[in-house]
Amino acid sequence: DADVTQTPRNRITKTGKRIMLECSQTKGHDRMYWYRQDPGLGLRLIYYSFDVKDINKGEISDGYSVSRQAQAKFSLSLESAIPNQTALYFCATSGSEGRESTDTQYFGPGTRLTVL
Amino acid sequence: QKEVEQDPGPLSVPEGAIVSLNCTYSNSAFQYFMWYRQYSRKGPELLMYTYSSGNKEDGRFTAQVDKSSKYISLFIRDSQPSDSATYLCAMRSPGGFKTIFGAGTRLFVKA
Repeated sequence: DADVTQTPRNRITKTGKRIMLECSQTKGHDRMYWYRQDPGLGLRLIYYSFDVKDINKGEISDGYSVSRQAQAKFSLSLESAIPNQTALYFCATSGSEGRESTDTQYFGPGTRLTVL
Repeated sequence: QKEVEQDPGPLSVPEGAIVSLNCTYSNSAFQYFMWYRQYSRKGPELLMYTYSSGNKEDGRFTAQVDKSSKYISLFIRDSQPSDSATYLCAMRSPGGFKTIFGAGTRLFVKA
């Protein structure tokens, strides 16, 4: 089984709808991240969480919210979806390891979201 | 100006060619430099990382960091069709908690 899973893998929704993307991991990592990927713009950080009680905004958090339900689960919500939120969304995890590290991130397979 | 600049390509080469992928950056505090590989319809996965300056080799792959020029490279020797993917550079500073990714370069290796 994959270490980082995302559901759904594909979603088409309409403007104004609320949508939730879910991420689960079995790596035992503390840190979890949500990114969106757009052509030419690369990966941009939406939110990140270093443990269950720690949630931080990334560079493009407007229009998004997150919930860290457990160490292994981190969900991303679009409260009222708009067409420019059409993108590929990735969840990632990394381990703190208690020391300086490369913060190697392990990515899920992605969710392709289309907002009409 | 973006913190990390990477030519999106696409880059198309024949099988067996030497491939050079590059990124430039503006933040002199970056010390950790990574290359991720992303196949179509998959998430990125770490390919190589380098701490500070110098070279690192792993099989057909060599990562190179020139901090004086704020320039990093990934070389692929004897490129194979299976190397066709998007390659993203990434970097972060010591004690920093955010990894900054380049936009990614799409590579096609033709058989």
